[in-house]
Amino acid sequence: AQSVTQLGSHVSVSEGALVLLRCNYSSSVPPYLFWYVQYPNQGLQLLLKYTSAATLVKGINGFEAEFKKSETSFHLTKPSAHMSDAAEYFCAVSEDTGNQFYFGTGTSLTVIP
Amino acid sequence: ETGVTQSPTHLIKTRGQQVTLRCSSQSGHNTVSWYQQALGQGPQFIFQYYREEENGRGNFPPRFSGLQFPNYSSELNVNALELDDSALYLCASSLGTSGNLYEQYFGPGTRLTVT
Repeated sequence: AQSVTQLGSHVSVSEGALVLLRCNYSSSVPPYLFWYVQYPNQGLQLLLKYTSAATLVKGINGFEAEFKKSETSFHLTKPSAHMSDAAEYFCAVSEDTGNQFYFGTGTSLTVIP
Repeated sequence: ETGVTQSPTHLIKTRGQQVTLRCSSQSGHNTVSWYQQALGQGPQFIFQYYREEENGRGNFPPRFSGLQFPNYSSELNVNALELDDSALYLCASSLGTSGNLYEQYFGPGTRLTVT
């Protein structure tokens, strides 16, 4: 079965500091991996996805993630946090068919002015 | 272009009752997926509908059922509500069944409280 683990349910960073949100996956086959962001009272929005084309994936709003097979990780980073980045972030993995996604439990990001 | 909409926004039901949640997909999207997001948890896949047929189901009991209509809008029905069914229910629409190929666009969700 496929699954993802997000380490740290809450992360706080200062405005302008590096954002690092951790995600490790468990998959028996080469995975498709995703990061989503959820703002209060809104649905999820896709930040970026890994589909085996390139290990470093760039997404929207300055976020990027690196797929590391040896570490089974897909951590999300942003060089400089902005106040508007405060939200809930979810890592997800899908099966080959892509019709069923498995989400992590989420990481709540707080940005301190 | 209208995004994914869901109704109602909130509702409160009593244990044992039945509930119907609605989702209007984004224009041109033929696939709708439903997710349950319990408080403090990530979304869990319930099922997916493609062209009015169920196309994959997660680990949810049969009292969770769905429909998709010719205009690709969708309903989620839950019978015999239990307290643990209290959650945010999200629907997502896409141009195709594979979330690997086609981005899922999520609605804002329906918050269901079962008392």
